[in-house]
Amino acid sequence: NAGVTQTPKFQVLKTGQSMTLQCAQDMNHNSMYWYRQDPGMGLRLIYYSASEGTTDKGEVPNGYNVSRLNKREFSLRLESAAPSQTSVYFCASSGTYNQPQHFGDGTRLSIL
Amino acid sequence: GQQLNQSPQSMFIQEGEDVSMNCTSSSIFNTWLWYKQEPGEGPVLLIALYKAGELTSNGRLTAQFGITRKDSFLNISASIPSDVGIYFCAGQEVRGGTSYGKLTFGQGTILTVHP
Repeated sequence: NAGVTQTPKFQVLKTGQSMTLQCAQDMNHNSMYWYRQDPGMGLRLIYYSASEGTTDKGEVPNGYNVSRLNKREFSLRLESAAPSQTSVYFCASSGTYNQPQHFGDGTRLSIL
Repeated sequence: GQQLNQSPQSMFIQEGEDVSMNCTSSSIFNTWLWYKQEPGEGPVLLIALYKAGELTSNGRLTAQFGITRKDSFLNISASIPSDVGIYFCAGQEVRGGTSYGKLTFGQGTILTVHP
């Protein structure tokens, strides 16, 4: 009963390094999302993929890129990490646009 | 962009007490969702509300979708220590002709329950 699986769970990077966060869901959902969570700010949408083959920007897309590799997998890439990108990153998925989103357990990313 | 105001920011209560928290928005939503997040984990869906005025229960949890579609509340009755966590409201837009429902989250209510 995995649901949404994110890897890695923790990562420390140096400024300027690149990294890809992985997300996979086993619920046959069409839509997938990437959020970041910062203290006192709730969750903010970075990018989303309404369906396989499509991606769109969310509220805070700058500094990130995404790839919807197939229906199951949606990755988030930081090309040149900055300290402002230190955060907890959550991937989520939903069956269709009007169904609730289900979240993974997050990736805790620190950039020094 | 849309703003959700969630209150209170934190609550410290005794086991057995009832809890109430709410969210208000400057804009209309088509769906209200309530999530709970425990340390080191992602948000877990508690209740989903789809119609204005809807009142829905899930065990000791009750949530309502406000008539104006700009607010929602969550009540927890007879709190227990395992209720500890951060509770988030989220409002969902549904745009006609697209397959995407944007979620806007509140800032969260931190709940502490003393045994």
